Amino acid sequence: DIQMTQSPSTLSASVGDRVTITCRASQSIRSWLAWYQQKPGKAPKLLIYKASSLESGVPSRFSGSGSGTEFTLTISSLQPDDFATYYCQQYNDYSGTFGQGTKVEIK
Amino acid sequence: QVQLQESGPGLVKPSQTLSLTCTVSSGSISSADYYWGWIRQHPGKGLEWIGYINNRGNTYYNPSLKSRLIISVDKSKSQFSLKLSSVTAADTAVYYCARASRLGELSLGYWGQGTLVTVSS
Repeated sequence: DIQMTQSPSTLSASVGDRVTITCRASQSIRSWLAWYQQKPGKAPKLLIYKASSLESGVPSRFSGSGSGTEFTLTISSLQPDDFATYYCQQYNDYSGTFGQGTKVEIK
Repeated sequence: QVQLQESGPGLVKPSQTLSLTCTVSSGSISSADYYWGWIRQHPGKGLEWIGYINNRGNTYYNPSLKSRLIISVDKSKSQFSLKLSSVTAADTAVYYCARASRLGELSLGYWGQGTLVTVSS
C-alpha cells in the first residue's frame, strides 16, 4: 500500500504569508496527486489535480508542484478564506490514499 | 453541475451491515465513464479513501476494508451504493460520495454533503 506523509500537521500563518505544505509518497506515484481544502462541517473541495493542474474556479494563488514521491502545495498570499485543513491524495494505480492533513491556523 | 446526495440509516448496530446510497442528479451516472468514489472521515480525524467504481461496474477497494466491502452501481436509478459488513464502533464516521473531476481522472471534484453513520447498540 502507498503511504502519504504530509508536513507540517499544523501551520500558523498570517494573512499575506506565503505558505507551503509538503506531501511525500512511500513510492513513486508519478503525477497522480490531488490537493483538497476542507472547512469544518463541509465536504472537501478539490484545488489541484495531477500534481500541478489548477481546478476550475480555484484562485491562482494556489499552486502545486512535484512528481514521483515529493509534492508541494503553495499558497502565494494567504487570504482569510484560506484558513482550513488541506489534504493530499494519491491516486496512482486505482488506489486513493490521503495524507493525514495540514491545518492552517491564524497566527 | 452534477450533484450527489448520500442516503441511508444514521444508526447501525454492531456486527450488522452498513448500507448507503449515493444519488446522482443534474446528469446521469451513465452519461460518461466517470469514476465514482466513497470516502469517510472519523469524528475529528482525516479522510480515508474507501473505494472507487465506474459505470461499467469495475471496482477498486481500500485493502484494509476489502474483505467487508461491496460497492455497486445502478445505472437505471443513477445511483451507486456502499455495503460494509460486520461493522464496529470503528466504522462510525461521516461518509461521503464523490465523482471524479473529469474523464480519465480519479481526483474527486464533486462531493455529496456527507452523512454521519454511528455504529452503536
